[in-house]
Amino acid sequence: GQSLEQPSEVTAVEGAIVQINCTYQTSGFYGLSWYQQHDGGAPTFLSYNALDGLEETGRFSSFLSRSDSYGYLLLQELQMKDSASYFCAVPDSGGYNKLIFGAGTRLAVHP
Amino acid sequence: GAGVSQSPSNKVTEKGKDVELRCDPISGHTALYWYRQSLGQGLEFLIYFQGNSAPDKSGLPSDRFSAERTGGSVSTLTIQRTQQEDSAVYLCASSLWTWGEQFFGPGTRLTVL
Repeated sequence: GQSLEQPSEVTAVEGAIVQINCTYQTSGFYGLSWYQQHDGGAPTFLSYNALDGLEETGRFSSFLSRSDSYGYLLLQELQMKDSASYFCAVPDSGGYNKLIFGAGTRLAVHP
Repeated sequence: GAGVSQSPSNKVTEKGKDVELRCDPISGHTALYWYRQSLGQGLEFLIYFQGNSAPDKSGLPSDRFSAERTGGSVSTLTIQRTQQEDSAVYLCASSLWTWGEQFFGPGTRLTVL
């Protein structure tokens, strides 16, 4: 089977940098995705890493280390609007036909 | 272009009644997923459709849950004899390829009294 672990909550202040970690266990690996979900909203896609290294998109970056079965989402210059839940996800190694989502990390950004 | 749409946005029903939830995916997206999300929780996979292949029903919690996808487009999730524990937000998502970027609809909030 597969499992993903991420912290349940993270707190930071505006303007700071925060890192949300995700470790996974899967028999096959086809990439790590990140999704953002604001309260009452639908999840939206943030990033996808298939290869090791850092992918940068504006204030957000995502990192993957396949040898460590580990990735993280890095949010810089935090803004209040970044307060949301963040989910990491990996493809189902069994059937490759769905994403398995982590339980989510709730980020609270304070002034 | 239009995103994923779901209807109704809210549904309140009495225990024991049947409900139907509808999802209109993005045109051209062959993959369609249903998830359930309880308040403050993660995404619970329910069922997955890919083209004309048999759906992956491995996430359906009981035989009271069923789903179909007609013409490779619109999907309906049916919950029979609803129970209070079925209360949750039901999210639909579609994607161009199997585990590519998923585009989520706004969800249907189901409340079973």
